[in-house]
Amino acid sequence: DTGVSQNPRHKITKRGQNVTFRCDPISEHNRLYWYRQTLGQGPEFLTYFQNEAQLEKSRLLSDRFSAERPKGSFSTLEIQRTEQGDSAMYLCASSLGMGNEQFFGPGTRLTVL
Amino acid sequence: AQKITQTQPGMFVQEKEAVTLDCTYDTSDQSYGLFWYKQPSSGEMIFLIYQGSYDEQNATEGRYSLNFQKARKSANLVISASQLGDSAMYFCAMRLWGEFGNEKLTFGTGTRLTIIP
Repeated sequence: DTGVSQNPRHKITKRGQNVTFRCDPISEHNRLYWYRQTLGQGPEFLTYFQNEAQLEKSRLLSDRFSAERPKGSFSTLEIQRTEQGDSAMYLCASSLGMGNEQFFGPGTRLTVL
Repeated sequence: AQKITQTQPGMFVQEKEAVTLDCTYDTSDQSYGLFWYKQPSSGEMIFLIYQGSYDEQNATEGRYSLNFQKARKSANLVISASQLGDSAMYFCAMRLWGEFGNEKLTFGTGTRLTIIP
């Protein structure tokens, strides 16, 4: 399967714990996006990478959130000191250059107890 | 501000009938793109169809067509001959070109489509 993959698919954690998610984009795609989707809503943009550079972050991305794409391939999204409001589906998408569609991964569903 | 509005939270359609899912958008940009994605219960977002703001013809992809009315700022999805497998959430999204080549998508709240056998 050469699509976008995300791990883990599900994560349950206690409030205050740190969690890290991984996204592996389609191999030749240089653009990578993170979105967050809460229940009953459409996905909301969190951050964007072009190769290894993080070029834009949404105001939704508080200081507790950090994302990296160290070698311009896979990306990680870390949430520190999780809160119940962080419970959501975290979606990763990748695309090849400007003007091309974004391909989404299956998402990581986070539940904070 | 850029915004996508989907006014139908849920729709029920008989199998084999055609269905139209509504989408209106708001932007002051002249150059933008409009997408429809399908999200089954498994969670992944599946790309269905794309319309560029300068495209004069309505986009079509198999059973999907996009009814693009630029003056009305609407981009409705039409599914012909619906099938049971079409039951899912459907999201309309708009792509704008930001700084550094960012093409972030702004999504609507979605329409849950249920196909009745």
